[in-house]
Amino acid sequence: KQEVTQIPAALSVPEGENLVLNCSFTDSAIYNLQWFRQDPGKGLTSLLLIQSSQREQTSGRLNASLDKSSGRSTLYIAASQPGDSATYLCAVSRYSGGGADGLTFGKGTHLIIQP
Amino acid sequence: DAGVTQSPTHLIKTRGQQVTLRCSPKSGHDTVSWYQQALGQGPQFIFQYYEEEERQRGNFPDRFSGHQFPNYSSELNVNALLLGDSALYLCASSLNQGLYEQYFGPGTRLTVT
Repeated sequence: KQEVTQIPAALSVPEGENLVLNCSFTDSAIYNLQWFRQDPGKGLTSLLLIQSSQREQTSGRLNASLDKSSGRSTLYIAASQPGDSATYLCAVSRYSGGGADGLTFGKGTHLIIQP
Repeated sequence: DAGVTQSPTHLIKTRGQQVTLRCSPKSGHDTVSWYQQALGQGPQFIFQYYEEEERQRGNFPDRFSGHQFPNYSSELNVNALLLGDSALYLCASSLNQGLYEQYFGPGTRLTVT
């Protein structure tokens, strides 16, 4: 059974810092990995999708890397802003039967950027 | 282009009752998945629908059932509600049996009293 762990569970940093969020998964046979952002009581916003054959993806100030063999991914946020405050979730899927299985999520990292 | 929409936004039910939640996928998407998110936890996969059939199911009891309509919209039904069913229910849509990026709706907050 796939298990996803996110470290740290919570993080509070001053504005302007660069930071790294970590995600690990127990079964390396993944199809893709997706990073999401969730604001309190809201739905999930997709940030980055990395296919299993890729090493990294970038979008603006965000960069996600994937080391499939070691079961790890990192989300790098450059020059953090108060608007980045949210919970960040990592999720993986597996390929089966012509499609992708439902996503398996970690519990998330609760990020607070202090002005 | 409308994203994933869900209704209702909030719902309060009593133990033992039944509830139906609704989801309209992002335009062009043919696959709908449902997730349950308890407070402080990551979402848990309930099931996925493709071509009007349940393609895959997570570890949820038969009290949880669903349906997908020809226009790709979907319903989640929960029977015999328990207090533990209180959660945020999220719908996600994607293309071709979930092979591509998943887009989530705003969720339905269900409270069971």
